[in-house]
Amino acid sequence: KQEVTQIPAALSVPEGENLVLNCSFTDSAIYNLQWFRQDPGKGLTSLLLIQSSQREQTSGRLNASLDKSSGRSTLYIAASQPGDSATYLCAVKAGANSKLTFGKGITLSVRP
Amino acid sequence: EPEVTQTPSHQVTQMGQEVILRCVPISNHLYFYWYRQILGQKVEFLVSFYNNEISEKSEIFDDQFSVERPDGSNFTLKIRSTKLEDSAMYFCASSPLAANTGELFFGEGSRLTVL
Repeated sequence: KQEVTQIPAALSVPEGENLVLNCSFTDSAIYNLQWFRQDPGKGLTSLLLIQSSQREQTSGRLNASLDKSSGRSTLYIAASQPGDSATYLCAVKAGANSKLTFGKGITLSVRP
Repeated sequence: EPEVTQTPSHQVTQMGQEVILRCVPISNHLYFYWYRQILGQKVEFLVSFYNNEISEKSEIFDDQFSVERPDGSNFTLKIRSTKLEDSAMYFCASSPLAANTGELFFGEGSRLTVL
């Protein structure tokens, strides 16, 4: 059974800092990995999708990497801003149309 | 940009009542999903739906739950007799089939409060 872990549960950093959010998963036989952002009481916004054959994906100040064999992904946020404060969720899929298995998320607070 | 829409945004109901949560997936998408998130916990898979039938369901999705695509646009989740522990945020998601990257697009969620 796939398990997704995100540690730490919460992180507080000063504005401008570059930071890395970690995600690990127990079964390396994944189809893809998706990073989401969730604001309090809101829905899930897809940030980046990495296919199992890819090593990384970039969007603006965000870069996500995938090391499938070791069961790890990282989300790198450059030059963090207070508006980046949110919970970041990692989720993996075993097949093209199978379910997503989520981690519990990392709640990020960027201090002005 | 196309998006998944969900109604209602918040529903309060008494224990034992039936609840229907509605979703309008993105129009050219063919796979539909329901997930839920109990406050402070992980987002959990409930059910996936393709070609007018359930393709996968979790152990959470028991006989109290049902899904339906009553017309070409809506996708509904029904809870027949709500329990206190059904209180959660329910998310609908959809995914395209053609040129499928497997990316899921989520709605804003429906918050269900069972009293």
